[in-house]
Amino acid sequence: GQQVMQIPQYQHVQEGEDFTTYCNSSTTLSNIQWYKQRPGGHPVFLIQLVKSGEVKKQKRLTFQFGEAKKNSSLHITATQTTDVGTYFCAGLEATDSWGKLQFGAGTQVVVTP
Amino acid sequence: NAGVMQNPRHLVRRRGQEARLRCSPMKGHSHVYWYRQLPEEGLKFMVYLQKENIIDESGMPKERFSAEFPKEGPSILRIQQVVRGDSAAYFCASSPTPQGRYFGPGTRLTVT
Repeated sequence: GQQVMQIPQYQHVQEGEDFTTYCNSSTTLSNIQWYKQRPGGHPVFLIQLVKSGEVKKQKRLTFQFGEAKKNSSLHITATQTTDVGTYFCAGLEATDSWGKLQFGAGTQVVVTP
Repeated sequence: NAGVMQNPRHLVRRRGQEARLRCSPMKGHSHVYWYRQLPEEGLKFMVYLQKENIIDESGMPKERFSAEFPKEGPSILRIQQVVRGDSAAYFCASSPTPQGRYFGPGTRLTVT
């Protein structure tokens, strides 16, 4: 079955630094979604990428979908303490009929001032 | 438009009791999904429902777990004879289409 892997599992970042988290799927995806979950909170939808090679930006966040539609990345520039949380990618398999999202295990981000 | 609502937010049950978790989707959303999250882990799909229909329950344990989404009222995830391993956060998500997901605040179940 489809597997979605995320690396790194943990990311300690100094405030102001940049970092990237990566997501890889074992199968081709029709789209990929990113979510953020604050400690003690619930996942909040950030963005959806659909096209091969697509790049989308949300302020300091840059999301990219690979050419083969099997991987994705999230790059955060000038990290702030508000960026603390766990970032999940979730892939929708290309052959899936109804939209069964497969979540990665997440990248837990800790920001030190 | 109120978001996805879940109750209770916290639930404590003794081993062997039943746990009932409720989810009211966003207005106009006919697709409901249940996910389980263990501490420090990702979200595991459990079941996908539309009104009065279970579309995919491949993530549900075969025993003790059941889910429904009746014509009227919230979706219910029922866990019978709970065990310690059932302790987790259970999230419901709804969507107007099978694509997007709007998550509720979750029910944190603790089995003592």
